[in-house]
Amino acid sequence: QVQLQESGPGLVKPSQTLSLTCTVSGGSISSGTYFWSWIRQPAGKGLEWIGRVSTSGSINYNPSLKSRVTISVDTSKNQFSLNLSSVTAADTAVYYCAREPRPGGAALGAFDIWGQGTMVTVSS
Amino acid sequence: EIVLTQSPGTLSLSPGERATLSCRASQSVSSSYLAWYQQKPGQAPRLLIYGASSRATGIPDRFSGSGSGTDFTLTITRLEPEDFAVYYCQQYGSSLYTFGQGTKLEIK
Repeated sequence: QVQLQESGPGLVKPSQTLSLTCTVSGGSISSGTYFWSWIRQPAGKGLEWIGRVSTSGSINYNPSLKSRVTISVDTSKNQFSLNLSSVTAADTAVYYCAREPRPGGAALGAFDIWGQGTMVTVSS
Repeated sequence: EIVLTQSPGTLSLSPGERATLSCRASQSVSSSYLAWYQQKPGQAPRLLIYGASSRATGIPDRFSGSGSGTDFTLTITRLEPEDFAVYYCQQYGSSLYTFGQGTKLEIK
């Protein structure tokens, strides 16, 4: 049973870089064909997709965040990571990592496994 | 960017009743790429439906999805107490995913 677990600082100062890691357990991040995404949710609000990565090197970002986001994958650690630079209070949210299957190589278009989420607050 | 608008914002029903949730897109969405999620307080979203009408693994058959183009529907027949939650639709296209604002299904 594949599980995802987010980790990282719960408090980040304005203008600094938010860094989170998602650890995949119960399976190899390199096995099968998947996209690995980051999604966030401000308190009491809806969901916003941040970006995705695959172990084959494909990376896509939400255009609204693209200038500040970097997502990378470390297959040796079975992890993928999110860096979001120049954060403001508007970046305060619960951050989720999620898996998207790619049957036959094409995106399923839906996220079948999610981490439990980690709350990140941007404040001085 | 495709904007998804869900209605109603809040739906008040009783256990045993039928729930119909709507998701309307600002432009046509491929039916292959429309999904529905359930989210309970303090939990991550749970995939219910993908490809507009395919149930995810372990999802009861009282949940069904339908629709095409710009109008999609999630139907829950015979509401169970555990079904009261927030529901989100989500679309994928041009390497971008967007979500609706959610419908809260509450106990009447």
